[in-house]
Amino acid sequence: AQSVTQPDIHITVSEGASLELRCNYSYGATPYLFWYVQSPGQGLQLLLKYFSGDTLVQGIKGFEAEFKRSQSSFNLRKPSVHWSDAAEYFCAVRAEYGNKLVFGAGTILRVKS
Amino acid sequence: EPEVTQTPSHQVTQMGQEVILRCVPISNHLYFYWYRQILGQKVEFLVSFYNNEISEKSEIFDDQFSVERPDGSNFTLKIRSTKLEDSAMYFCASSGVGGANEKLFFGSGTQLSVL
Repeated sequence: AQSVTQPDIHITVSEGASLELRCNYSYGATPYLFWYVQSPGQGLQLLLKYFSGDTLVQGIKGFEAEFKRSQSSFNLRKPSVHWSDAAEYFCAVRAEYGNKLVFGAGTILRVKS
Repeated sequence: EPEVTQTPSHQVTQMGQEVILRCVPISNHLYFYWYRQILGQKVEFLVSFYNNEISEKSEIFDDQFSVERPDGSNFTLKIRSTKLEDSAMYFCASSGVGGANEKLFFGSGTQLSVL
């Protein structure tokens, strides 16, 4: 069965510093991968997705993610974090059968000034 | 951007009571979903709904749960007799045609507290 691991429960970075959130997946075929962000009191907002093609995908709010098949990873990056990026970030993979998403446990990002 | 709307944002109920969580998906979407997130745990899939029937459900979605699209706009999740362990944030989502590359739009959630 598909699974997603986000090894970091909490990450704290300084405003203006770079960010990388880790995501590893378990999947038999080419995965469909997603990153969602949840700000307090908000729903899950899609940041970016990967289906095929270029392994470096660009998303909203200056985020990007790189698909690395050899490492089964889909890490999220941002070169310069803003205080408004403080939120919880979820990596997800589309299940091999059906339409459901399988989510990781999430990483809470704190931004210090 | 179009939005999925969920009401109420918070629901407090007594154990054993029935609750109905309401969602208004995006108007031209065809696939509807419920997910939940117990505090400190992963977001978990509950059920997907298409063409007026359940297309997929998880082990969590037992006989105590049901979904309905009572009119052309609402999508509801009913928990017949709530248990303490049903306390969670419940997210509704919808998508257009349900393809593997289809984007899911999520609502802001209903926080259910069972006392």
